[in-house]
Amino acid sequence: KQEVTQIPAALSVPEGENLVLNCSFTDSAIYNLQWFRQDPGKGLTSLLLIQSSQREQTSGRLNASLDKSSGRSTLYIAASQPGDSATYLCAVRQPGGSYIPTFGRGTSLIVHP
Amino acid sequence: DTGVSQNPRHKITKRGQNVTFRCDPISEHNRLYWYRQTLGQGPEFLTYFQNEAQLEKSRLLSDRFSAERPKGSFSTLEIQRTEQGDSAMYLCASSLEGDLYEQYFGPGTRLTVT
Repeated sequence: KQEVTQIPAALSVPEGENLVLNCSFTDSAIYNLQWFRQDPGKGLTSLLLIQSSQREQTSGRLNASLDKSSGRSTLYIAASQPGDSATYLCAVRQPGGSYIPTFGRGTSLIVHP
Repeated sequence: DTGVSQNPRHKITKRGQNVTFRCDPISEHNRLYWYRQTLGQGPEFLTYFQNEAQLEKSRLLSDRFSAERPKGSFSTLEIQRTEQGDSAMYLCASSLEGDLYEQYFGPGTRLTVT
């Protein structure tokens, strides 16, 4: 059974810092990995989707990398801003037809001015 | 707005009552998913539809839970005889068919059972 772990569980940083959030998964046979943002009491917003054949994806200040063989992904946030404060979740999908992602518990990020 | 919508956004109910939630997916998406998320946890899969067919159900979906998508468009999730342990955020997501397509989530329905 796939297990997804996110480290750290919580992070508090001053504005302007570059951040790395980590996601690890136990079964490397994945189809893709997706990073989401969740604001308190809200739904999930997709940030980046990395297919298994890709090594990284970039969107603005965000960069996500994928190392399937080691079962790891990182989300890099450059020049963090208070508006980046949220919970960041990663989810992996595996082959087998059901397309159901397995989520980690998330990293709760606070960026203070 | 062409995103996924969910109603109601908040529901408070007494233990033992039945509740029903609605999800309207993005119009061209034929896959629709329901998840439950409790505080401090990631979303947990409940069930999913491809068009009107319910293709998979999690063991979390007890017999008190039922989901429908009668015309392959909107979906409803009903919980009968609610229990305090049902208190959670219920999230709906939709996608195009195929594992390469990402899921788009709605804002969720927050259920509180008193």
